[in-house]
Amino acid sequence: DIQMTQSPSSLSASVGDRVTITCRASQSINYLNWYQQKPGKAPNLLIYSASTLQSGVPSRFSGSGSGTDFALTISSLQPEDFATYYCQQSYNTPFTFGPGTKVDLK
Amino acid sequence: QVQLQQSGPGLVKPSQTLSLTCAISGDSVSSNSAAWNWIRQSPSRGLEWLGRTYYRSKWYYDYAVSVKSRITINPDTSKNQFSLQLSSVTPEDTAVYYCARSYSSGSYRVDYWGQGALVTVSS
Repeated sequence: DIQMTQSPSSLSASVGDRVTITCRASQSINYLNWYQQKPGKAPNLLIYSASTLQSGVPSRFSGSGSGTDFALTISSLQPEDFATYYCQQSYNTPFTFGPGTKVDLK
Repeated sequence: QVQLQQSGPGLVKPSQTLSLTCAISGDSVSSNSAAWNWIRQSPSRGLEWLGRTYYRSKWYYDYAVSVKSRITINPDTSKNQFSLQLSSVTPEDTAVYYCARSYSSGSYRVDYWGQGALVTVSS
């Protein structure tokens, strides 16, 4: 199985901050997705294929990377962005997820 | 707009079979560009993809190795739904279970999720 790691596991930030979360795969992958999850809710797709913004997702979210190293950036953190973020590889089954990065209010 | 509505018991006894159903509206379980997944989430295991079924002239099934000997995912074209059966459950199978659609236009991504269902394995 492809193992996914994320860093940091949590971070504290303020509204308006620029935030970057990184994700690393245990082998080179072509397809990497990012999800946002709020408590009690299902995850919500933000970015697919590493850098393509899902329809309806604000443009302050962006994704980058290739091979084994990827990043999710929020250019200016908004109050509704405090949540947990997960990466997922869809290159090979099983489609493994990272352990998550919790973003909370400083 | 795709909607996925989950149903099934919230409490299952150890050694029994966990059964959940996901009813699809706004798409077809036989779609040639989607796959239908079960994913679970627990504090100890995080988000764990369990398996999927999809139709590309015939039915295909992929399962996670961790549950491969115990899992069955079945499509039901007459009701436009799919189901999960997980046998010989233990307390380790306690989790929130999600059904989900993954859409492919080059790469698969999960773009629609069910509401989630907490399933507790306990006597």
